[in-house]
Amino acid sequence: DVKVTQSSRYLVKRTGEKVFLECVQDMDHENMFWYRQDPGLGLRLIYFSYDVKMKEKGDIPEGYSVSREKKERFSLILESASTNQTSMYLCASSLSGRAGLYGYTFGSGTRLTVV
Amino acid sequence: QKEVEQDPGPLSVPEGAIVSLNCTYSNSAFQYFMWYRQYSRKGPELLMYTYSSGNKEDGRFTAQVDKSSKYISLFIRDSQPSDSATYLCAMRQFGGGSEKLVFGKGTKLTVNP
Repeated sequence: DVKVTQSSRYLVKRTGEKVFLECVQDMDHENMFWYRQDPGLGLRLIYFSYDVKMKEKGDIPEGYSVSREKKERFSLILESASTNQTSMYLCASSLSGRAGLYGYTFGSGTRLTVV
Repeated sequence: QKEVEQDPGPLSVPEGAIVSLNCTYSNSAFQYFMWYRQYSRKGPELLMYTYSSGNKEDGRFTAQVDKSSKYISLFIRDSQPSDSATYLCAMRQFGGGSEKLVFGKGTKLTVNP
């Protein structure tokens, strides 16, 4: 089974802190994604990456950046955490092209609270 | 108009009921359709996927796609308390430089014993 592992299940950070969320997948997937999930708003795409060192903005990139130095690892960075970034953050991965047509594999999520 | 609309629920049914979950979409380029199940405090997991119009069955679950009406459904027969979760529809096109899924907002289902 593909595993997508997010380093923390729960995090509490202070306003203004720089926050790193780590995601690692173990099945050589080309594509990786970061979402946030909020009640009533569903899943919203923050950033995604099709390859090492490549990144593209999703629907809500403001206040976030990403890093993909190795194929298996995709990091989400909150440059200066704010209370409106309190959310559930989900990482996902998939194969590219036709092999990845039928969806993503998600991690278990990181529930981030910014106080 | 949003690309994907999903009945928000929440939905509460007695054990053994037949459940119908639905999504509509506006983008006729969508060709691949999925349903994810998300238990509380967990990530979504792929439940079913389909490409063609018609029905696809897997145990107690049936996925239905009507491309002419831009409408997809997930039916759960003989629902169980363990089916209590949020169900998200997802869909995508192939090619055009897009590898992204578009998700519905999810329907929260509770099956009461």
